[in-house]
Amino acid sequence: GDSVTQMEGPVTLSEEAFLTINCTYTATGYPSLFWYVQYPGEGLQLLLKATKADDKGSNKGFEATYRKETTSFHLEKGSVQVSDSAVYFCALSDQGSGSARQLTFGSGTQLTVLP
Amino acid sequence: DTGVSQNPRHKITKRGQNVTFRCDPISEHNRLYWYRQTLGQGPEFLTYFQNEAQLEKSRLLSDRFSAERPKGSFSTLEIQRTEQGDSAMYLCASSLARPVLSYEQYFGPGTRLTVT
Repeated sequence: GDSVTQMEGPVTLSEEAFLTINCTYTATGYPSLFWYVQYPGEGLQLLLKATKADDKGSNKGFEATYRKETTSFHLEKGSVQVSDSAVYFCALSDQGSGSARQLTFGSGTQLTVLP
Repeated sequence: DTGVSQNPRHKITKRGQNVTFRCDPISEHNRLYWYRQTLGQGPEFLTYFQNEAQLEKSRLLSDRFSAERPKGSFSTLEIQRTEQGDSAMYLCASSLARPVLSYEQYFGPGTRLTVT
């Protein structure tokens, strides 16, 4: 079945540091890939997405590139801010899962950015 | 567009009681999903509706769980005879059935259930 493996946290960085959160996946079809973010006390928000190989998703300074050859979708940001502190979830939606296209999530990575 | 809303936000119940949660999706969205999230884990799929039809259920959805979406708008998730293992955050999400939008799902704030 489909699965997503994320880099284990927690991750603690100083402000303006470079961020990478690793994500790899297993899927039976040709999935769409997503990063969701959950700020403290809030619901999941879609951060960025990519729908096919070599697509790059980007938003709010975050980027991730869909790498089919390595089945990866690593999240990066060049300079993190304190306000980026949150839990980040990698997820996929696979057409092989049938009409539902439900999301399969990784376990999440807690990011704390210190001033 | 007011986003996905869920009520209540928190529910504390005693083991053996029944509970019901409500989800109001984004108004034009025809697809609605329920997920469950336990502490330190990502959300896990429970069930999915397209309009009023429940088209898929996860093996996680035991027969104590039932979900409805009677008019293709809001949905309810009921848990009968709650157990302590049911304690979790229950998330609702909605989307449009448009491949060009990659079936993007938009999540509500969740209902946190605590079974004592």
